[in-house]
Amino acid sequence: DTEVTQTPKHLVMGMTNKKSLKCEQHMGHRAMYWYKQKAKKPPELMFVYSYEKLSINESVPSRFSPECPNSSLLNLHLHALQPEDSALYLCASSLLSRPEAPDTQYFGPGTRLTVL
Amino acid sequence: SQQGEEDPQALSIQEGENATMNCSYKTSINNLQWYRQNSGRGLVHLILIRSNEREKHSGRLRVTLDTSKKSSSLLITASRAADTASYFCATGRSGGFKTIFGAGTRLFVKA
Repeated sequence: DTEVTQTPKHLVMGMTNKKSLKCEQHMGHRAMYWYKQKAKKPPELMFVYSYEKLSINESVPSRFSPECPNSSLLNLHLHALQPEDSALYLCASSLLSRPEAPDTQYFGPGTRLTVL
Repeated sequence: SQQGEEDPQALSIQEGENATMNCSYKTSINNLQWYRQNSGRGLVHLILIRSNEREKHSGRLRVTLDTSKKSSSLLITASRAADTASYFCATGRSGGFKTIFGAGTRLFVKA
């Protein structure tokens, strides 16, 4: 299985809602990533988990809360979002074969989030 | 900032022509990667070139890296309509697994 899956594909939520994005991979990868991508812009790194521990938080607002329940799953919990948080949220994973060097990342198809 | 800058921002060519995209970055790197993204979809890894390599080929793709100029180029030969996508370079530094994406080149191949 060489796929990263993300659910849901689309999500519309109000500013007072709580929702979660889910990401799953079964490639034995030990690093997992969340990116945010606005239209016609590059992906921006939000969080990195390595060996199920949060390694990087790129100063993301606390209304985004990541969770890595096990080595195959990555969640992003959303609460009290703002309309400007509307974007494509991409999950990726990598093998982490060489800790000293960035790996090839495998991306999921993304969740298109709209905040009303 | 380590972020790569890509040039051109957009490129429109005829099917069968070659497409060249350039990427420049600011800090020392361990490797440089190129990714493709079809509209509104996830990114697909194309090729990785390490800092001690100067050129790499994969099918119709040729990547060069000039660390003295802090630049890389991606050449797609004999382009096809299916190559229409956004192309991003991504740089990574030693000592970590953080990857920073450049602004991207939007390629449109006309059939």
